[in-house]
Amino acid sequence: QSALTQPPSASGSPGQSVTISCTGTSSDIGTYDYVSWYQQHPGKAPKLMIYEVTKRPSGVPDRFSASKSGNTASLTVSGLQAEDEADYYCSSYAGSNNVLFGGGTKLTVL
Amino acid sequence: QVQLVESGGGVVQPGRSLRLSCAASGFMFSGYGMHWVRQTPGKGLEWVALIWYDASNKKSAETVKGRFTISRDNSKNTLYLQMNSLRVEDTAIYYCARDNGDYGGALDYWGQGTLVTVSS
Repeated sequence: QSALTQPPSASGSPGQSVTISCTGTSSDIGTYDYVSWYQQHPGKAPKLMIYEVTKRPSGVPDRFSASKSGNTASLTVSGLQAEDEADYYCSSYAGSNNVLFGGGTKLTVL
Repeated sequence: QVQLVESGGGVVQPGRSLRLSCAASGFMFSGYGMHWVRQTPGKGLEWVALIWYDASNKKSAETVKGRFTISRDNSKNTLYLQMNSLRVEDTAIYYCARDNGDYGGALDYWGQGTLVTVSS
């Protein structure tokens, strides 16, 4: 199984919205509603931001939203803030207890 | 509060073995599945292995299958990763993480990671 595909970088100005895509296959994202998104600041552990495609854990701002269509999932960050600058990773369940991660997207707040 | 603390990382020669530990606290460890995830310095995340809450099910990524073994001791609230036949490409920060309960790959708590360097 190959890693999920994410754009290496994305950017936006404060207050704007930015969307990060995550493309998989019919064997992972296309079949299972188990897509997660993680935020990772430099030198820190990843933090769960979205699970089961659209759900936000307690404490995650509602500026973070996500969706899925076919084999592609998307994370949208609205009202960009300086602290949103980080690396973002998607993941998907891929059946038989396997988990796949995307290659990560570096989000820059201009 | 939930805490996961990894230990056991270090520098090891190719072909040797290393065992990582992850001490859990702040939650009922025996009720949750646990994962190992690694990250090559400056690169992305790679899922390594999963073990169910009662160790009845285990799964490893193809890149480590047959070399790495995940296990747990619920009486000690501790997760392990036995790494044998280590390769240079296994060099990474290794994180333990808690499954949120659905076994769908959502990892809701992570440790701070432990660095494993495989080098001659």
